[in-house]
Amino acid sequence: NAGVMQNPRHLVRRRGQEARLRCSPMKGHSHVYWYRQLPEEGLKFMVYLQKENIIDESGMPKERFSAEFPKEGPSILRIQQVVRGDSAAYFCASSHDRVGAKNIQYFGAGTRLSVL
Amino acid sequence: DQQVKQNSPSLSVQEGRISILNCDYTNSMFDYFLWYKKYPAEGPTFLISISSIKDKNEDGRFTVFLNKSAKHLSLHIVPSQPGDSAVYFCAASAGNAGNMLTFGGGTRLMVKP
Repeated sequence: NAGVMQNPRHLVRRRGQEARLRCSPMKGHSHVYWYRQLPEEGLKFMVYLQKENIIDESGMPKERFSAEFPKEGPSILRIQQVVRGDSAAYFCASSHDRVGAKNIQYFGAGTRLSVL
Repeated sequence: DQQVKQNSPSLSVQEGRISILNCDYTNSMFDYFLWYKKYPAEGPTFLISISSIKDKNEDGRFTVFLNKSAKHLSLHIVPSQPGDSAVYFCAASAGNAGNMLTFGGGTRLMVKP
C-alpha cells in the first residue's frame, strides 16, 4: 500500500521558468492538500482539492500559483515565472473522505524547489 | 499572526527519560489537534491526535494532553529513545475551516544515548 508519492524530489529552476510539482495521493484517498515549508519554519497551508474541484485555496498566493487535481492522474501544483522567494519544500498530503470524524492527513516526502 | 506556537525550538533529553513537548494555540475554533514527527529530507509522519472533547489520548509510548481552558497541549514520550530524535510539529484544525491544518514552528528533540 504505497503512501503519498511526490515527484520530483528535487527541482532546480532558473528565475522566470515554470515549476510543476506532482502528487499522487494514497490509494482510496480523495482529498489532497498542498503545504509549503520555508527554511526553519513550520508548514503553511496552500490549497485543498478534491477530484476536479478546488475546495479551499485561501493559502495560495494570488499570482503565479495554481493547483489542479484532475479526474485522472496526479494533483499538480504549478508555479509560473518562479522567483528566488519560491525556494522551499513543498509537501502534499492526502486524507480519506472527510464525512464524519476528522481525518488524518498523510504526507509525502516533499519536493525541494531551488530557484537560481 | 501565529495561531499555533511551539515556544521551545529545541529540547535535549537523556535516553530512557521522559520528553515533554509543548504547544499553545490562540484560535478557540480549533477542535482537533495532531502531532507529527519529521526527519530531515522526509515528509511529516503522523504520530497521534486528540479531539477537543477529550483531554488525553495515549498510544504506546506517546501521550497527548489537551488543556482547553489554557489553550495548551503537550506530547509526552516515555521512555525516550535515540530514534525519537527528530523535529516535532503540532498542528490544529477547525471544524468551520474545512480540513486545513495550521502548524506550529516545530521543536527539535535530541535524545542522547
